[in-house]
Amino acid sequence: DVKVTQSSRYLVKRTGEKVFLECVQDMDHENMFWYRQDPGLGLRLIYFSYDVKMKEKGDIPEGYSVSREKKERFSLILESASTNQTSMYLCASSLSGGRGFEQFFGPGTRLTVL
Amino acid sequence: QKEVEQNSGPLSVPEGAIASLNCTYSDRGSQSFFWYRQYSGKSPELIMSIYSNGDQEDGRFTAQLNKASQYVSLLIRDSQPSDSATYLCAVYDYKLSFGAGTTVTVRA
Repeated sequence: DVKVTQSSRYLVKRTGEKVFLECVQDMDHENMFWYRQDPGLGLRLIYFSYDVKMKEKGDIPEGYSVSREKKERFSLILESASTNQTSMYLCASSLSGGRGFEQFFGPGTRLTVL
Repeated sequence: QKEVEQNSGPLSVPEGAIASLNCTYSDRGSQSFFWYRQYSGKSPELIMSIYSNGDQEDGRFTAQLNKASQYVSLLIRDSQPSDSATYLCAVYDYKLSFGAGTTVTVRA
């Protein structure tokens, strides 16, 4: 069964803390993605990776960084958390291909920054 | 201008009716088009993919694509209460861009 897991379902952090969100997929997918989802704004792409040790900025990368040291793991880092980063964070993975393949999503991490 | 726009909703339809969802996109180079369904508190899941002009049918779902008009739609026939969810339109050109979603409620 296809599976994308995320390290926490709920997380509460203080302003200024460094926050790590972990995502692991067991489907041997090349591509991995980090989104945030906010009411009325839909899913917005933060960063994505098409290969190990490779990363590309999405639409809203400011305040975030990522790490992909192994094919199955993609980490999102908030260097200094701020209240406007309170959101639902969704990780996804997919196969590679010119037409774009189905993205499988993890259960999400609801992050609250106080 | 947003890359992918959906009719804002919410959309309320009686059980057994047809729900019609619309989506427009701005990038003419877009290659692939997807509809995801997201139940409240859950993650999005893919329900339809369409790559060429015309209709694509899967059970009670029909996706329609018109590249000249930059328009994608989703029809849900014989709507059921279990179809109550938010439907996200997604457009692919090197990366996937999502619309804000349309929330559908099917009244029993």
